[in-house]
Amino acid sequence: DAGVIQSPRHEVTEMGQEVTLRCKPISGHDYLFWYRQTMMRGLELLIYFNNNVPIDDSGMPEDRFSAKMPNASFSTLKIQPSEPRDSAVYFCASSLRGSGTGGGYTFGSGTRLTVV
Amino acid sequence: DQQVKQNSPSLSVQEGRISILNCDYTNSMFDYFLWYKKYPAEGPTFLISISSIKDKNEDGRFTVFLNKSAKHLSLHIVPSQPGDSAVYFCAASARGNNRLAFGKGNQVVVIP
Repeated sequence: DAGVIQSPRHEVTEMGQEVTLRCKPISGHDYLFWYRQTMMRGLELLIYFNNNVPIDDSGMPEDRFSAKMPNASFSTLKIQPSEPRDSAVYFCASSLRGSGTGGGYTFGSGTRLTVV
Repeated sequence: DQQVKQNSPSLSVQEGRISILNCDYTNSMFDYFLWYKKYPAEGPTFLISISSIKDKNEDGRFTVFLNKSAKHLSLHIVPSQPGDSAVYFCAASARGNNRLAFGKGNQVVVIP
């Protein structure tokens, strides 16, 4: 398995533009998580899905952020409009049966977003 | 509110010596704890875990100790190797809750 695949690896955009981050989880995993990493806050959970259904989106900072999982092999995180404070590394992770077993999550390599 | 706290954000250690990373948590419902390792430009990767029914788990050079009464866990790396230079994240979850709470991470530099 190729692991969790995220695209793009880097994104530079201007303030006010729409940004879409993409994630392909590991086949067979039933949980998908979106995290954001910043120096100030570390790794913070934005939203997670179980069997393609959003379970907890309490970490989504504002209405400008939205996430979808139309099928078991694809998820998107969209920011519209983007702002400079959204600059961070965004990680997607997937797991089988949630976090309480085995090695927890498998993370993708992340998308480094810079909003200028 | 940071439920998982990692102080002393960076640590430098000589190759061959012991590296000790500490982690404190506030949520008494946490019952499963993990350490992840992260290299630059990569995602975190699972390193070792421990259930709350244990107080120690060992895997090769890595040992995690859990002190439930103090709500404290630590990661020992012995002996430290240059390839261990990375950021280490402590994480925790509560039974029935499928989300992991992460600390801010500790940067470890192993000097050859």
